[in-house]
Amino acid sequence: NAGVTQTPKFQVLKTGQSMTLQCAQDMNHEYMSWYRQDPGMGLRLIHYSVGAGITDQGEVPNGYNVSRSTTEDFPLRLLSAAPSQTSVYFCASSYSSGSFAQTEAFFGQGTRLTVV
Amino acid sequence: GDSVTQMEGPVTLSEEAFLTINCTYTATGYPSLFWYVQYPGEGLQLLLKATKADDKGSNKGFEATYRKETTSFHLEKGSVQVSDSAVYFCALSGKKETSGSRLTFGEGTQLTVNP
Repeated sequence: NAGVTQTPKFQVLKTGQSMTLQCAQDMNHEYMSWYRQDPGMGLRLIHYSVGAGITDQGEVPNGYNVSRSTTEDFPLRLLSAAPSQTSVYFCASSYSSGSFAQTEAFFGQGTRLTVV
Repeated sequence: GDSVTQMEGPVTLSEEAFLTINCTYTATGYPSLFWYVQYPGEGLQLLLKATKADDKGSNKGFEATYRKETTSFHLEKGSVQVSDSAVYFCALSGKKETSGSRLTFGEGTQLTVNP
Protein backbone atom coordinates (compact mmCIF):
# COMPACT_ATOMS: atom_id res chain seq x y z
CA ASN A 1 0.00 0.00 0.00
CA ALA A 2 1.81 3.09 -1.29
CA GLY A 3 -0.29 5.86 0.32
CA VAL A 4 1.29 9.23 -0.49
CA THR A 5 4.49 9.14 -2.52
CA GLN A 6 6.79 12.12 -2.87
CA THR A 7 9.77 12.45 -5.16
CA PRO A 8 12.57 13.30 -4.93
CA LYS A 9 13.58 12.77 -1.30
CA PHE A 10 16.51 15.18 -1.53
CA GLN A 11 17.30 17.99 -3.95
CA VAL A 12 19.89 20.73 -4.22
CA LEU A 13 19.11 23.67 -6.50
CA LYS A 14 20.98 26.77 -7.48
CA THR A 15 19.30 30.13 -7.00
CA GLY A 16 17.07 30.90 -9.97
CA GLN A 17 16.56 27.31 -11.07
CA SER A 18 13.10 25.86 -11.36
CA MET A 19 11.91 22.41 -10.44
CA THR A 20 8.82 20.35 -9.72
CA LEU A 21 8.23 18.30 -6.58
CA GLN A 22 6.04 15.33 -7.35
CA CYS A 23 3.25 13.99 -5.14
CA ALA A 24 0.95 11.07 -5.88
CA GLN A 25 -1.66 9.30 -3.78
CA ASP A 26 -3.47 6.05 -4.46
CA MET A 27 -6.30 6.39 -1.93
CA ASN A 28 -8.73 8.34 -4.14
CA HIS A 29 -8.67 11.23 -1.65
CA GLU A 30 -10.26 14.46 -2.74
CA TYR A 31 -8.06 16.76 -0.66
CA MET A 32 -4.35 17.26 -1.29
CA SER A 33 -2.05 19.81 0.31
CA TRP A 34 1.53 21.01 0.29
CA TYR A 35 3.26 22.16 3.46
CA ARG A 36 6.71 23.41 4.24
CA GLN A 37 8.39 22.72 7.55
CA ASP A 38 11.08 25.00 8.84
CA PRO A 39 12.88 24.76 12.19
CA GLY A 40 10.80 26.31 14.96
CA MET A 41 7.92 27.18 12.63
CA GLY A 42 5.82 24.07 12.50
CA LEU A 43 3.95 23.34 9.28
CA ARG A 44 2.91 26.11 6.94
CA LEU A 45 0.36 25.53 4.21
CA ILE A 46 1.55 26.48 0.72
CA HIS A 47 -1.29 25.41 -1.58
CA TYR A 48 -4.13 22.95 -1.41
CA SER A 49 -6.72 21.33 -3.63
CA VAL A 50 -10.23 20.10 -2.91
CA GLY A 51 -10.50 18.09 -6.10
CA ALA A 52 -9.23 17.75 -9.65
CA GLY A 53 -9.15 21.13 -11.34
CA ILE A 54 -9.55 23.10 -8.09
CA THR A 55 -6.65 24.67 -6.19
CA ASP A 56 -6.31 27.45 -3.66
CA GLN A 57 -3.59 29.35 -1.85
CA GLY A 58 -2.48 28.66 1.68
CA GLU A 59 -0.45 30.81 4.05
CA VAL A 60 2.78 31.02 2.05
CA PRO A 61 2.01 30.62 -1.68
CA ASN A 62 4.49 33.09 -3.16
CA GLY A 63 7.09 31.51 -5.40
CA TYR A 64 5.13 28.28 -5.84
CA ASN A 65 2.58 27.04 -8.38
CA VAL A 66 0.34 23.99 -8.31
CA SER A 67 -2.12 22.26 -10.57
CA ARG A 68 -4.43 19.28 -10.11
CA SER A 69 -5.27 17.64 -13.39
CA THR A 70 -6.04 14.25 -11.83
CA THR A 71 -7.24 13.06 -8.45
CA GLU A 72 -3.97 11.20 -7.89
CA ASP A 73 -1.33 13.83 -8.63
CA PHE A 74 -0.57 17.23 -7.13
CA PRO A 75 2.82 18.58 -8.24
CA LEU A 76 4.42 21.65 -6.66
CA ARG A 77 6.46 23.89 -8.93
CA LEU A 78 9.16 26.25 -7.75
CA LEU A 79 9.36 28.94 -10.38
CA SER A 80 12.72 30.52 -9.55
CA ALA A 81 14.33 28.99 -6.49
CA ALA A 82 15.57 31.25 -3.70
CA PRO A 83 17.59 30.40 -0.56
CA SER A 84 14.48 31.26 1.49
CA GLN A 85 12.81 28.21 -0.04
CA THR A 86 15.29 25.88 1.62
CA SER A 87 12.99 23.67 3.67
CA VAL A 88 11.42 20.27 4.04
CA TYR A 89 8.28 19.91 1.92
CA PHE A 90 5.44 17.57 2.76
CA CYS A 91 2.52 16.54 0.63
CA ALA A 92 -0.64 15.25 2.31
CA SER A 93 -3.98 13.83 1.24
CA SER A 94 -7.27 13.35 3.05
CA TYR A 95 -11.01 13.08 2.53
CA SER A 96 -14.01 14.82 3.95
CA SER A 97 -16.53 13.15 6.19
CA GLY A 98 -19.99 14.54 6.70
CA SER A 99 -19.81 18.20 7.50
CA PHE A 100 -16.15 18.24 8.52
CA ALA A 101 -13.61 19.83 6.22
CA GLN A 102 -11.21 16.93 6.41
CA THR A 103 -10.63 13.71 8.22
CA GLU A 104 -7.11 12.73 9.20
CA ALA A 105 -4.39 13.56 6.68
CA PHE A 106 -1.90 11.06 5.28
CA PHE A 107 1.56 12.48 4.73
CA GLY A 108 4.37 11.63 2.36
CA GLN A 109 7.91 11.12 3.58
CA GLY A 110 8.98 14.61 2.61
CA THR A 111 11.40 16.28 0.20
CA ARG A 112 14.43 17.99 1.72
CA LEU A 113 15.27 20.93 -0.56
CA THR A 114 18.38 23.07 -0.33
CA VAL A 115 18.77 26.17 -2.46
CA VAL A 116 22.32 27.50 -2.72
CA GLY B 1 -10.26 31.80 12.01
CA ASP B 2 -9.27 28.48 13.48
CA SER B 3 -6.11 28.22 15.55
CA VAL B 4 -4.24 25.67 17.66
CA THR B 5 -1.86 26.51 20.50
CA GLN B 6 0.55 23.92 21.88
CA MET B 7 2.76 24.12 24.92
CA GLU B 8 6.20 25.34 24.07
CA GLY B 9 8.98 22.82 23.88
CA PRO B 10 11.30 21.16 23.83
CA VAL B 11 10.30 18.68 26.51
CA THR B 12 12.91 16.36 27.99
CA LEU B 13 11.90 13.44 30.23
CA SER B 14 13.45 10.35 31.70
CA GLU B 15 12.18 6.94 30.66
CA GLU B 16 8.99 5.89 32.50
CA ALA B 17 8.07 9.48 33.37
CA PHE B 18 4.54 10.85 32.89
CA LEU B 19 3.98 12.98 29.81
CA THR B 20 1.55 15.83 29.24
CA ILE B 21 1.62 18.06 26.17
CA ASN B 22 -0.99 20.79 26.34
CA CYS B 23 -3.12 21.77 23.36
CA THR B 24 -5.89 24.36 23.21
CA TYR B 25 -7.85 25.47 20.20
CA THR B 26 -10.07 28.18 18.81
CA ALA B 27 -12.71 27.22 16.27
CA THR B 28 -16.33 27.81 15.41
CA GLY B 29 -18.53 25.00 16.57
CA TYR B 30 -17.06 21.62 17.41
CA PRO B 31 -14.13 20.62 15.25
CA SER B 32 -12.46 17.23 14.92
CA LEU B 33 -9.20 17.08 16.86
CA PHE B 34 -6.01 15.15 16.10
CA TRP B 35 -2.57 14.41 17.44
CA TYR B 36 0.12 13.63 14.90
CA VAL B 37 3.63 12.33 15.56
CA GLN B 38 6.74 12.90 13.46
CA TYR B 39 9.71 10.62 14.04
CA PRO B 40 13.14 11.84 12.92
CA GLY B 41 13.47 11.98 9.13
CA GLU B 42 9.88 10.96 8.51
CA GLY B 43 6.54 12.51 7.61
CA LEU B 44 3.71 13.07 10.06
CA GLN B 45 1.48 10.17 10.99
CA LEU B 46 -1.78 10.16 12.85
CA LEU B 47 -1.42 9.18 16.50
CA LEU B 48 -5.02 9.56 17.69
CA LYS B 49 -8.17 11.56 17.08
CA ALA B 50 -11.51 12.58 18.60
CA THR B 51 -14.51 13.84 16.69
CA LYS B 52 -16.91 15.01 19.39
CA ALA B 53 -16.94 16.42 22.90
CA ASP B 54 -15.86 14.04 25.69
CA ASP B 55 -14.48 11.54 23.19
CA LYS B 56 -11.17 10.01 24.23
CA GLY B 57 -8.71 9.09 21.54
CA SER B 58 -6.05 6.52 22.38
CA ASN B 59 -3.19 4.70 20.68
CA LYS B 60 0.18 3.20 21.70
CA GLY B 61 -0.43 4.17 25.35
CA PHE B 62 -1.16 7.80 24.47
CA GLU B 63 -4.52 9.36 25.32
CA ALA B 64 -6.27 12.68 24.74
CA THR B 65 -9.78 13.77 25.73
CA TYR B 66 -11.83 16.32 23.78
CA ARG B 67 -12.86 18.95 26.34
CA LYS B 68 -15.21 21.51 24.84
CA GLU B 69 -15.62 23.46 28.07
CA THR B 70 -11.91 24.25 28.14
CA THR B 71 -11.38 23.93 24.34
CA SER B 72 -8.50 21.58 25.01
CA PHE B 73 -7.11 18.27 23.77
CA HIS B 74 -4.08 17.54 25.96
CA LEU B 75 -1.90 14.55 25.10
CA GLU B 76 -0.89 12.21 27.95
CA LYS B 77 1.09 9.05 28.43
CA GLY B 78 1.65 7.34 31.72
CA SER B 79 5.14 5.98 31.09
CA VAL B 80 7.22 7.22 28.17
CA GLN B 81 9.90 5.23 26.39
CA VAL B 82 13.00 6.29 24.50
CA SER B 83 11.20 5.29 21.30
CA ASP B 84 8.57 8.00 21.96
CA SER B 85 11.15 10.69 21.19
CA ALA B 86 9.60 12.65 18.33
CA VAL B 87 7.78 15.87 17.46
CA TYR B 88 4.09 15.95 18.36
CA PHE B 89 1.55 18.14 16.55
CA CYS B 90 -1.97 18.98 17.64
CA ALA B 91 -4.39 19.74 14.79
CA LEU B 92 -8.04 20.45 14.10
CA SER B 93 -10.48 20.13 11.24
CA GLY B 94 -13.41 22.47 11.36
CA LYS B 95 -16.78 22.43 9.68
CA LYS B 96 -16.66 22.99 5.95
CA GLU B 97 -19.04 25.93 6.02
CA THR B 98 -17.05 27.85 8.64
CA SER B 99 -13.46 26.68 8.22
CA GLY B 100 -13.15 25.97 4.54
CA SER B 101 -11.10 22.94 3.63
CA ARG B 102 -7.99 23.25 5.77
CA LEU B 103 -6.43 21.34 8.59
CA THR B 104 -4.97 23.69 11.18
CA PHE B 105 -1.78 22.58 12.99
CA GLY B 106 -0.10 23.71 16.16
CA GLU B 107 3.59 24.58 16.20
CA GLY B 108 4.72 21.15 17.31
CA THR B 109 6.41 20.02 20.53
CA GLN B 110 9.75 18.22 20.47
CA LEU B 111 9.89 15.39 23.02
CA THR B 112 13.17 13.76 24.01
CA VAL B 113 13.14 10.76 26.33
CA ASN B 114 16.43 9.80 27.96
CA PRO B 115 17.21 6.29 29.19
